[in-house]
Amino acid sequence: DVKVTQSSRYLVKRTGEKVFLECVQDMDHENMFWYRQDPGLGLRLIYFSYDVKMKEKGDIPEGYSVSREKKERFSLILESASTNQTSMYLCASSLFAIISGRPYEQYFGPGTRLTVT
Amino acid sequence: KNEVEQSPQNLTAQEGEFITINCSYSVGISALHWLQQHPGGGIVSLFMLSSGKKKHGRLIATINIQEKHSSLHITASHPRDSAVYICAVRSGVKGAGSYQLTFGKGTKLSVIP
Repeated sequence: DVKVTQSSRYLVKRTGEKVFLECVQDMDHENMFWYRQDPGLGLRLIYFSYDVKMKEKGDIPEGYSVSREKKERFSLILESASTNQTSMYLCASSLFAIISGRPYEQYFGPGTRLTVT
Repeated sequence: KNEVEQSPQNLTAQEGEFITINCSYSVGISALHWLQQHPGGGIVSLFMLSSGKKKHGRLIATINIQEKHSSLHITASHPRDSAVYICAVRSGVKGAGSYQLTFGKGTKLSVIP
């Protein structure tokens, strides 16, 4: 079974702090994703990565950065946390499909509920 | 950008009822996903389909590509089916954009004993 783990289930940080959210997958997937989920807005893509050191902006990258130094690990960084970044953050991974265009399932982690005060 | 609409937003059913959740999208796709999210946050993929129909236990997913519409059916519903059900579509474009999913806002299902 694919396992996607996230470093924390719940996190409380202060405004202005630098925040790291870690995601690890154990199935050698090339693609990894970071989403945030807010009531009434659904899931929105922040960043994704299709290879080590490769990243692409999603729909809402402002205020976030990412790091992928190893294939199994994808980190989301909030450089200076703000209250409007209070949200549920979900990581996902999937197999690579850029050449064939064949879609693969995404496997999600349990989520990190971040509160910024 | 694809627009994904789900209906209803909220659904309450009695145990044993047949349930249908609908999803429509605006632009052609390569695949459609149905996801389930239980309280607490974890998301599980139920189905990925690009044509026809798939069945798994009491769950059935159908898609009509021409009408840009999919349905998720739950037969003999049970309180443990209570969750948020999310429809997501993948664009038909090859390349990096084909990884991205566009999500509906979800349907919150409550099944009462």
